[in-house]
Amino acid sequence: GEDVEQSLFLSVREGDSSVINCTYTDSSSTYLYWYKQEPGAGLQLLTYIFSNMDMKQDQRLTVLLNKKDKHLSLRIADTQTGDSAIYFCAESPTTSGTYKYIFGTGTRLKVLA
Amino acid sequence: EPEVTQTPSHQVTQMGQEVILRCVPISNHLYFYWYRQILGQKVEFLVSFYNNEISEKSEIFDDQFSVERPDGSNFTLKIRSTKLEDSAMYFCAIRQQGSYEQYFGPGTRLTVT
Repeated sequence: GEDVEQSLFLSVREGDSSVINCTYTDSSSTYLYWYKQEPGAGLQLLTYIFSNMDMKQDQRLTVLLNKKDKHLSLRIADTQTGDSAIYFCAESPTTSGTYKYIFGTGTRLKVLA
Repeated sequence: EPEVTQTPSHQVTQMGQEVILRCVPISNHLYFYWYRQILGQKVEFLVSFYNNEISEKSEIFDDQFSVERPDGSNFTLKIRSTKLEDSAMYFCAIRQQGSYEQYFGPGTRLTVT
């Protein structure tokens, strides 16, 4: 079945890099996404990657995709306290026809000053 | 980035009461989704809506739930007779034709007492 897994917590020091990992199960997913959720707020689209790409860089964000292992990661360079939030990866199986999202459990990133 | 507003931001209701949650996309979009997030849990897909019809729904979306777009603008989620376990954050999302990414509203926190 469809399932997306993430580690629950990550703690890093300000200025270090953060790497948030995600594994998914549906190989039909054409796009994979990263969303950020700050306390009490909605889901903000950070970036996404097309399944025929291995890597995508967008300013401080780098997404790596290993399609063979169904593994996705989000690297945040020079992590700041404002990056503290919950990060969700999501896959969008094309088999659904509606491109609904299947979300991961979310990783709570805590940035220590 | 497309804007989505949701009203109310917080709704408290008694068990057995009906609630209507509203979603208003600022620009014209064709695809609409509802998701929910029970406190501390994953964001779960409820339903997708296209061309004034439900295009896909999850097993959570039972007969107590309904969606409609009554005036071509607002997109509503109705829960006919709320249960305690309906307490959650409800997110509306929109998608444009020709793209795959979804943009989320800030959510409505529903508390059923």
